[in-house]
Amino acid sequence: DAGITQSPRYKITETGRQVTLMCHQTWSHSYMFWYRQDLGHGLRLIYYSAAADITDKGEVPDGYVVSRSKTENFPLTLESATRSQTSVYFCASSPGRNSGNTIYFGEGSWLTVV
Amino acid sequence: AQSVTQLDSQVPVFEEAPVELRCNYSSSVSVYLFWYVQYPNQGLQLLLKYLSGSTLVKGINGFEAEFNKSQTSFHLRKPSVHISDTAEYFCAVSREGGSYIPTFGRGTSLIVHP
Repeated sequence: DAGITQSPRYKITETGRQVTLMCHQTWSHSYMFWYRQDLGHGLRLIYYSAAADITDKGEVPDGYVVSRSKTENFPLTLESATRSQTSVYFCASSPGRNSGNTIYFGEGSWLTVV
Repeated sequence: AQSVTQLDSQVPVFEEAPVELRCNYSSSVSVYLFWYVQYPNQGLQLLLKYLSGSTLVKGINGFEAEFNKSQTSFHLRKPSVHISDTAEYFCAVSREGGSYIPTFGRGTSLIVHP
């Protein structure tokens, strides 16, 4: 049972470059999420998706783009990376209300923008 | 909307001592409650959850939590901690019948000293 896998786990990129963080889940969960975690800010929701082709902005969406053409994949793209986007990014999924909205997290992607 | 308050940002404790990590929530409707643990450089792992039924919930690694509706609390306890319990702990709440997006607390850092 692979669960949720994120790639790359670690990435260093330059300011202005486009970066895509991949997320793949094997549970066929309807809901998927992207969070960023920063010291002093806790977990902040970037984007979320209720199903394939349905995405919505979270708390901090600026500078990010998502897509969900297939239920199992939910890539996050930084269109033009900035230093303020240096963070740890977590992808998560949930089967929804039948589970009490239990969320399951990936291992994280550490991104450094220089 | 719901909110979560983790009353302590940091809890130091000696090995084999008991510990309680406090979590209070606010919601006008029934809720689902969760505790997650994050070990250094890892993702968040579900520790335990309360959906319904018995108010005392047992989780992994010897942790338990008690749902107290009158005090709107869901405190996490362990009778005897180990060095390996050193981690960040997050409380989360989701509204029954509401949005499928849980609200997370800011986290409590449990530091276990030898």
